[in-house]
Amino acid sequence: DVKVTQSSRYLVKRTGEKVFLECVQDMDHENMFWYRQDPGLGLRLIYFSYDVKMKEKGDIPEGYSVSREKKERFSLILESASTNQTSMYLCASSPQQGAGNQPQHFGDGTRLSIL
Amino acid sequence: AQSVTQLDSHVSVSEGTPVLLRCNYSSSYSPSLFWYVQHPNKGLQLLLKYTSAATLVKGINGFEAEFKKSETSFHLTKPSAHMSDAAEYFCVVSEPGSARQLTFGSGTQLTVLP
Repeated sequence: DVKVTQSSRYLVKRTGEKVFLECVQDMDHENMFWYRQDPGLGLRLIYFSYDVKMKEKGDIPEGYSVSREKKERFSLILESASTNQTSMYLCASSPQQGAGNQPQHFGDGTRLSIL
Repeated sequence: AQSVTQLDSHVSVSEGTPVLLRCNYSSSYSPSLFWYVQHPNKGLQLLLKYTSAATLVKGINGFEAEFKKSETSFHLTKPSAHMSDAAEYFCVVSEPGSARQLTFGSGTQLTVLP
């Protein structure tokens, strides 16, 4: 079974802090994704990566950056946290082969609160 | 462009009765379709997927879905609901050849009454 592990289940940070959310997958998947999930807005794609050191903006990249130095690890960075970034963050991975036909595999999420 | 509409934001059933969660999609291509389930404070778990093989797809936990191209629908069903089925369900459409192009429905919250 694919396992996607997010380093924290719950996180509380203060406005203006730099925040790192970490995600690791163990299935050698090429593609990795970061989403945020908010009530009434569903899942929205922040960034995705299709290879090491490669990244592409999703639908809502403003205020975020990402890092992918190793294939198994994809980090989401909030450069200067703001209260409107309080949300549930979900990481996912999928193989490149058969892209579009392959489901994404999700971690359990990080519930981030910015005070 | 592709889109997916989950027709009910909330569905409530009694334990032991059938479940029907409705999903319509729009796609310019032959899409792949997925259903995911999300239990409280958990990530999304894949229930089943359709990728242009059999139109009736069986998934985990007794769920199944039927792809109907003429109706552009991919409804999720289960013959008999269990209390453990209470969760939020997402219908997802994907564009072949693109890892990025997942479009999520807004979700259906399923409540199972004892």
